[in-house]
Amino acid sequence: DAKTTQPTSMDCAEGRAANLPCNHSTISGNEYVYWYRQIHSQGPQYIIHGLKNNETNEMASLIITEDRKSSTLILPHATLRDTAVYYCIVRVAPGSNYKLTFGKGTLLTVNP
Amino acid sequence: KAGVTQTPRYLIKTRGQQVTLSCSPISGHRSVSWYQQTPGQGLQFLFEYFSETQRNKGNFPGRFSGRQFSNSRSEMNVSTLELGDSALYLCASSSSYAIEQFFGPGTRLTVL
Repeated sequence: DAKTTQPTSMDCAEGRAANLPCNHSTISGNEYVYWYRQIHSQGPQYIIHGLKNNETNEMASLIITEDRKSSTLILPHATLRDTAVYYCIVRVAPGSNYKLTFGKGTLLTVNP
Repeated sequence: KAGVTQTPRYLIKTRGQQVTLSCSPISGHRSVSWYQQTPGQGLQFLFEYFSETQRNKGNFPGRFSGRQFSNSRSEMNVSTLELGDSALYLCASSSSYAIEQFFGPGTRLTVL
């Protein structure tokens, strides 16, 4: 699985958009970008994933650059409950392998 | 639909003892993965079971083992506990070929 690089921490004001970057310059053509988050003392929660097109769901948007070497997770209107560690993971689509390789992630703190 | 459940939620053991943790996946999910989370190493993959067979394994010593039952419930066992085994142990389940994995709340193991 390709390696990812994320900032250690970020701050965001409540109600504003939170933009979390992720670099994955060694990503292969068949690898997806996944985002999970972990709120303190809870299990990780799936947010969104994408291959090369931008994706949006009820939680967030995922913007992947054209060369696929980086991506940005966007929380459009951050709330205090979005304070968590956000993990960017790159891997192939699951078939016979459900292993997720987590890095250190980004601690997002949403401030009132 | 009930989520992934893990029992017990908290456990205190002493060095040299063994421990068994239990995970009940979401109904219909056949894949169960286990992860260890520590402050120093972060989230690390232990192993994955699918239809009662271990399908993938992480880089952990043989003291860590697991099994899956015909109803997809899974257990993991750690023998000869060491202080470094103190961690949050997380279980995740997924349906076949699904992108998303659902994590349980974890079992907090403390080894004294």
